Amino acid sequence: DSGVTQTPKHLITATGQRVTLRCSPRSGDLSVYWYQQSLDQGLQFLIQYYNGEERAKGNILERFSAQQFPDLHSELNLSSLELGDSALYFCASSDQTGIYNEQFFGPGTRLTVL
Amino acid sequence: AQTVTQSQPEMSVQEAETVTLSCTYDTSENNYYLFWYKQPPSRQMILVIRQEAYKQQNATENRFSVNFQKAAKSFSLKISDSQLGDTAMYFCALVGTSYDKVIFGPGTSLSVIP
Repeated sequence: DSGVTQTPKHLITATGQRVTLRCSPRSGDLSVYWYQQSLDQGLQFLIQYYNGEERAKGNILERFSAQQFPDLHSELNLSSLELGDSALYFCASSDQTGIYNEQFFGPGTRLTVL
Repeated sequence: AQTVTQSQPEMSVQEAETVTLSCTYDTSENNYYLFWYKQPPSRQMILVIRQEAYKQQNATENRFSVNFQKAAKSFSLKISDSQLGDTAMYFCALVGTSYDKVIFGPGTSLSVIP
């Protein structure tokens, strides 16, 4: 157990809908990272937040957004969902700002768009 | 642009034997970090080993070691005394210190055969 929690574990929704994925980092970790793992695109870095501020941006679509709250949990919002958004979404956390530091991954949220 | 290539989509090894997974990369950065991640059937992403490019000494973690050839841009993972629990997808990843993104390779599926 990495100490990072993600909810829900599974999510099934329809095209055009909007969903919110939640992540709670390890106790004391200020950085939260979001990743997408799909059959087509493989593993992709989406975005990083550090202590409430956006720190680094990867291949995140404009339909997607994220935020980190004062209690350090983070949410990833996916809107206007398409079939291709079906993927496993990981959250990771670390106690450092640099993305090159060791990260601890949550168990992931499996999103299925029908 | 930064790229990571894993040329072996699938590999297998007998229990207790040694196996080497290949990874090559390309980056224009002078300083960067390389990672090997393990993803077992549970889908949990686990950091196996991390190497800083400016360190000449190859990183080791118990049965896992790397052969880092900076000039050749090669970063292979050696697993000694393979165990059934090593069965997993293995991802090589690259992070440049001035390029705040993680680039993952496509992965190698390793099966340890009893």
